[in-house]
Amino acid sequence: AQTVTQSQPEMSVQEAETVTLSCTYDTSESDYYLFWYKQPPSRQMILVIRQEAYKQQNATENRFSVNFQKAAKSFSLKISDSQLGDAAMYFCAYRFTQGGSEKLVFGKGTKLTVNP
Amino acid sequence: DTGVSQDPRHKITKRGQNVTFRCDPISEHNRLYWYRQTLGQGPEFLTYFQNEAQLEKSRLLSDRFSAERPKGSFSTLEIQRTEQGDSAMYLCASSLATGKQFFGPGTRLTVL
Repeated sequence: AQTVTQSQPEMSVQEAETVTLSCTYDTSESDYYLFWYKQPPSRQMILVIRQEAYKQQNATENRFSVNFQKAAKSFSLKISDSQLGDAAMYFCAYRFTQGGSEKLVFGKGTKLTVNP
Repeated sequence: DTGVSQDPRHKITKRGQNVTFRCDPISEHNRLYWYRQTLGQGPEFLTYFQNEAQLEKSRLLSDRFSAERPKGSFSTLEIQRTEQGDSAMYLCASSLATGKQFFGPGTRLTVL
């Protein structure tokens, strides 16, 4: 079964510094998608970044980048130049497809605090 | 705002009552998903629609839960005979074939 593990329940970072959030996953598939979502307090889930497993190049979106290690089944998120607005729960997710159906399997999340 | 809307945003009900939630996806998205999120946890998949066809229903859903997506547009999620364990945030998401799911703001259900 596909599982997603986020081993850091909470992380903190100083404003303008860099932080890395960890995620590992388990799958027997060779082609899949991985995502990071951000959920600010009492606000809706926002897609941060997507990585396609067949692409060797790590995805980047402005201050957000990933370190995708396919063999190690590791998918970490790096936030550079952290801002107060980055404070949120961050969820790593794996897109599972089977028999015409699809779903996201989420980790338990990492709560990121940004200190001024 | 992702373009996915959900109604109501909050619902308080008494145990045993029926409740219905609505989700309006991004208009051109043919794929629609329902998830449930409890405090301190990541969302858990409930069900998936491609157009009007419900292609998967999670084993998490008891027979008290039903979802529809008539005409492949908006979707409804109904919970019959609510129980306190149903208290959670119910999230709707939609996507194209790209796999990028866009989430609505959720409906927070409290069962007293």
